[in-house]
Amino acid sequence: GDSVTQMEGPVTLSEEAFLTINCTYTATGYPSLFWYVQYPGEGLQLLLKATKADDKGSNKGFEATYRKETTSFHLEKGSVQVSDSAVYFCALRDTGFQKLVFGTGTRLLVSP
Amino acid sequence: GAVVSQHPSWVICKSGTSVKIECRSLDFQATTMFWYRQFPKQSLMLMATSNEGSKATYEQGVEKDKFLINHASLTLSTLTVTSAHPEDSSFYICSATPTGAQGDGYTFGSGTRLTVV
Repeated sequence: GDSVTQMEGPVTLSEEAFLTINCTYTATGYPSLFWYVQYPGEGLQLLLKATKADDKGSNKGFEATYRKETTSFHLEKGSVQVSDSAVYFCALRDTGFQKLVFGTGTRLLVSP
Repeated sequence: GAVVSQHPSWVICKSGTSVKIECRSLDFQATTMFWYRQFPKQSLMLMATSNEGSKATYEQGVEKDKFLINHASLTLSTLTVTSAHPEDSSFYICSATPTGAQGDGYTFGSGTRLTVV
């Protein structure tokens, strides 16, 4: 079945550091890929998405590129801020399905 | 934007009792809502897909008699954990998508932490 694997956390960075959170997937069809973010005490929010190979999703300085050849969708940000501290979830939605399949989530802690 | 309200945000109950969790779409109608369960340090696992006016579709391994889902209106779905036991303690999250929405219009509630003692 479909699955998403993302790096374990927590990831601890200093402010303005470069961020990479790895995400790889397995799917039978041609999935859409997502990154969701969960701030403390809040629900999941869509951060960015990509619907086909080589698409790049971007939002709030975060980027991720849909790499079909490596089945990856790594999340990157050039300069993190304290306010980026949250849990980040990689997810996919396979062709013809409504449901999302999530990775385990990666907690990011950014210190001043 | 679309808002999903989930209530309660946390609940503690005694073993053997039942607990109801509500998921409301506040500013849109949702034909379909989803219920997830999250264990510590694990991903969100889809439990069931709730469809307004019809029976929910449960994922493999989820006990439908244990986790009762009712989606009686276009803005409300409820999850009832019946005869709860400590192993049911978990974080439950709902999401909803506007009726007729294409693509990725999923809005999530803030979750309910259930502790069964």
